[in-house]
Amino acid sequence: DVVMTQSPLSLPVTLGQPASISCRSNQSLVYSDGITYLNWFQQRPGQSPRRLIYKVSYRDSGVPDRFSGSGSDTDFTLKISRVEAEDVGVYYCMQGTHWPYSFGQGTKLEIK
Amino acid sequence: QLQLQESGPGLVKPSETLSLTCIVSGVSISSSNYHWGWIRQPPGKGLEWIGSMYYSGSTYYNPSLKSRVTISVDTSKNQLSLKLSSVTAADTAVYHCASVSPDNYWGQGTLVIVSS
Repeated sequence: DVVMTQSPLSLPVTLGQPASISCRSNQSLVYSDGITYLNWFQQRPGQSPRRLIYKVSYRDSGVPDRFSGSGSDTDFTLKISRVEAEDVGVYYCMQGTHWPYSFGQGTKLEIK
Repeated sequence: QLQLQESGPGLVKPSETLSLTCIVSGVSISSSNYHWGWIRQPPGKGLEWIGSMYYSGSTYYNPSLKSRVTISVDTSKNQLSLKLSSVTAADTAVYHCASVSPDNYWGQGTLVIVSS
């Protein structure tokens, strides 16, 4: 199975400051069609996960442009350019390339 | 807009079968190119993919659960179903159904506690 490893697991951030979360996989996430199926999810307290980013860097509809995804192969990053109060929650990377799909452990973002 | 709503017993006894349904609205569950999934989250823990069903009817199950899981659809009711047999306390979790693609939507999730 593909193991997804996130860091840090806890991320205290000052409002208005940037934040960055790393996600690494133990094997390449490039599918046979050449597409990398790496997603980022946000789970606010008490809510279901919501996808923010798909295929490494494509933002879902309604996702603020302060969220961006980058990376390739086995190394990926989610960046928030300026953290807002509504960004508090747990962020998960998830690979949809290899079965079974798998998630990272989650990174808990909190406001300092 | 696509919406999903899970339902089922909140309490299941050990060794019994957990049965959940997910009512889909806003799109036909048999629409081309749709991929549906079940995901679970133990209280206070991370996410685990249980299995997927494609519009073609193909199903994929997480090998860690494969011998116990069945995912099916009822097109007449536009709903997705999950059955997990021989449950133990380790199966206590919030169970989510989701539209995986082409759009990604999740239900609110339903908590299932396995306890005698």
